[in-house]
Amino acid sequence: GAGVSQSPSNKVTEKGKDVELRCDPISGHTALYWYRQRLGQGLEFLIYFQGNSAPDKSGLPSDRFSAERTGESVSTLTIQRTQQEDSAVYLCASSLGTDNQPQHFGDGTRLSIL
Amino acid sequence: GNSVTQMEGPVTLSEEAFLTINCTYTATGYPSLFWYVQYPGEGLQLLLKATKADDKGSNKGFEATYRKETTSFHLEKGSVQVSDSAVYFCALRGGSNYKLTFGKGTLLTVNP
Repeated sequence: GAGVSQSPSNKVTEKGKDVELRCDPISGHTALYWYRQRLGQGLEFLIYFQGNSAPDKSGLPSDRFSAERTGESVSTLTIQRTQQEDSAVYLCASSLGTDNQPQHFGDGTRLSIL
Repeated sequence: GNSVTQMEGPVTLSEEAFLTINCTYTATGYPSLFWYVQYPGEGLQLLLKATKADDKGSNKGFEATYRKETTSFHLEKGSVQVSDSAVYFCALRGGSNYKLTFGKGTLLTVNP
């Protein structure tokens, strides 16, 4: 497609379950980013991929969070043993990866932990 | 570290009113500055950007000027429309040139 695609758009799950969130970046975009937006807050950076490598994982809030990217394309963000504080909108963005290229965002996955 | 502070909302205006949403930043080096907009039910979209001091970004009647001396990037529009109702986010990208640091967002509602 023309834009960044994320799935699912909404996810409701019970505390303690694992969840997987998917991001399909714009074709040809080498850089991919995950952000989190909790209610009433700005976006928090989670992790950045250049190609399939993640040079910066500094924003991942705990070791329950992990992400991978394959084929310099699709990325998956996994949250293990979910907690209620994980409830947020998870946003993915991609860019051409060169200096000053804008990041294009998907519509996000709204995650609700019961 | 980098940070962005933008005016608290919500902001409510009548159609054709003048809009200013203040944004100030803290960053090392020479960041690039952005305004993103999120319309109801839609994803974040880049509205405008400026990459160096005194640059003016503009799009859809919105403008913002990169002021290094005041570390500001205020968003302005001379005459708002109902269709401008959205959440506006100020953001910066620092010397690392990848991750964005966002403000908390400002909800704008324009009434007819």
